Amino acid sequence: QLQLQESGPGLVKPSETLSLPCTVSGGSISSSSYYWGWIRQPPGKGLEWIGSIYYSGRTYYNPSLKSRVTISVDTSKNQFSLKLYSVTAADTGVYYCVRHEAVAGTLDSWGQGTLVTVSS
Amino acid sequence: SYELTQPPSVSVSPGQTASITCSGDKLGHKYASWYQRKPGQSPLLVIYQDSKRPSGIPERFSGSNSGNTATLTISGTQATDEADFYCQAWDTSTVLFGGGTKLTVL
Repeated sequence: QLQLQESGPGLVKPSETLSLPCTVSGGSISSSSYYWGWIRQPPGKGLEWIGSIYYSGRTYYNPSLKSRVTISVDTSKNQFSLKLYSVTAADTGVYYCVRHEAVAGTLDSWGQGTLVTVSS
Repeated sequence: SYELTQPPSVSVSPGQTASITCSGDKLGHKYASWYQRKPGQSPLLVIYQDSKRPSGIPERFSGSNSGNTATLTISGTQATDEADFYCQAWDTSTVLFGGGTKLTVL
């Protein structure tokens, strides 16, 4: 069964870079049928797509975050990662890594989520 | 930019039918998915490709999508169905979410 696991620091200082890897187990990140993405949910707010990556390295980003985001993939580790630069308190929230189907875009597998707090 | 619109809240009595709508321009031309999120848990896929149920999702969950509106219907609503529900679509390589609907089972 496919599992996704986020890891990384729960506390990041303002203006610094948030870095989160997601390790995929029970399936290959090199599948041509799926993208791998990041979703976040700020406290009290809805779900927000950050961006996605294909195993080839092709990326798609939310236009509102594009200038501050990099998503990368390491097929040798079966892992993909998020970097969000110049964070502010508005970037506080639960971050999920997800798998989504390439044609219909269904988000069919989610990590457990990790809370990231931006604070000095 | 493309937007998906959901009502902020829907209330239903136990055993009754709850309907949650999701509106967007020509949404019926795209695939819609629905996710249930309970406090402290990751979102759970309950409907995909407009009307398909993943394995393990009860039959009381159903979906439709036509014109500008996708609808999630929960028949015989149970207290355990109380949660936030989000619609989602995939458009020009962009993942889109509705704002979410809080379902209250009174």
